[in-house]
Amino acid sequence: QSVLTQPPSASGTPGQRVSISCSGSSSNIGNNYVYWYQHVPGTAPKLLIYKNDQRPSGVPDRFSGSKSGTSASLAISGLRSEDEADYFCAAWDDSLSAWEFGGGTKLTVL
Amino acid sequence: EVQLVESGGGLVKPGGSLRLSCAASGITLSNAWMTWVRQVPGKGLEWVGRIKTKTYGETVDYAAPVKGRFRISRDDSKNMLYLQMNSLKNDDTAVYYCTTQGRFGEWSGEIFHWHYYMDVWGKGTTVRVS
Repeated sequence: QSVLTQPPSASGTPGQRVSISCSGSSSNIGNNYVYWYQHVPGTAPKLLIYKNDQRPSGVPDRFSGSKSGTSASLAISGLRSEDEADYFCAAWDDSLSAWEFGGGTKLTVL
Repeated sequence: EVQLVESGGGLVKPGGSLRLSCAASGITLSNAWMTWVRQVPGKGLEWVGRIKTKTYGETVDYAAPVKGRFRISRDDSKNMLYLQMNSLKNDDTAVYYCTTQGRFGEWSGEIFHWHYYMDVWGKGTTVRVS
């Protein structure tokens, strides 16, 4: 059971906008920054969003992050077939003194 | 470009030991905090632990499930990170990833803080305990 809660799956058609949620508590998301990763199985996970809503260089602006209270969201606009992957949120947990991850959301591009 | 390549995975019996390695290139490892993360088949990611730089005393923090059994170390002269895993259990079966830790700074009042996060990842190495 993951400390951060994500929906197990999401889907959309090319060009659509999709949002993935990540729910936590005051000891993690509520008090710390949220990070998002994209993972195509068999490859290295890739950092998409850091500090809640910042994109590293090279990440398209189709990807955006937000945070409110103890929840965060990753939005992908202009969906493309290459966006099909697993998406994970992460945050430091002050109570556990450990990084915690969401269970991951498998995004399918129909 | 920073690249991380993990190695050393394999099949090991419960109670056995294994040492994973992570070779870093495109980065001066002595300047980087490093992390190990694992993914149990079909499940989410789990943080294993991190090691700070010599400047921070090479302090190591571990996740509760591995504390006392796993040991993270580094050899900056070789640009290598290691994960020594002892007393392995079936539950340790996973793909193990090493990551660099990126950082950004910000002021909180008059106090400056560095915030660290998992940045560049390797492709992982598979450990099976059975």
